[in-house]
Amino acid sequence: DAKTTQPPSMDCAEGRAANLPCNHSTISGNEYVYWYRQIHSQGPQYIIHGLKNNETNEMASLIITEDRKSSTLILPHATLRDTAVYYCIVRVYTGNQFYFGTGTSLTVIP
Amino acid sequence: ETGVTQSPTHLIKTRGQQVTLRCSSQSGHNTVSWYQQALGQGPQFIFQYYREEENGRGNFPPRFSGLQFPNYSSELNVNALELDDSALYLCASSDRGARLETQYFGPGTRLLVL
Repeated sequence: DAKTTQPPSMDCAEGRAANLPCNHSTISGNEYVYWYRQIHSQGPQYIIHGLKNNETNEMASLIITEDRKSSTLILPHATLRDTAVYYCIVRVYTGNQFYFGTGTSLTVIP
Repeated sequence: ETGVTQSPTHLIKTRGQQVTLRCSSQSGHNTVSWYQQALGQGPQFIFQYYREEENGRGNFPPRFSGLQFPNYSSELNVNALELDDSALYLCASSDRGARLETQYFGPGTRLLVL
């Protein structure tokens, strides 16, 4: 069962920052937050993950609130190729199972 | 470094038949997980294999079974196919020995059951 809640869809203007929120209020202390994206029926692509500190890589930044009950994925300069469904996932430590929700469909508008 | 590959890319079967889907894990990865993704839904966890044994299973009936081979590749078998089994089947590999077991996904096999 998914442990995350995300808005079903969002729009973002090309070149602007896309901020995708995720609620994971029941997260446990040792559970990581992962973000993946899926472009039109391809396999999900790993973006970033974090435990409690903010993280940044070449693709995105992840901001996790101090109480760890929510997080935000930031794509700093969205391009048309960032149009995809974005999944926020809490990794259940036992069995390394990933439980996907329905994700947020991000549309980047020219 | 070779990524996760899956075969075939597309498959059409009829109700009641059996199907085998294949997955080759990313180089250096020893764990394979399988997911089913129905149209418009997020991927649903089927099961995971580590050291050739099932290591965790989602809410799927026994007619969904799998194998993992010594080279860490894997098969997903589905018996007595039903129309609702039509979906994209995704395989993901990871390294159980790594500090963080990030899963990397293959492109998927699209199965249509008629």
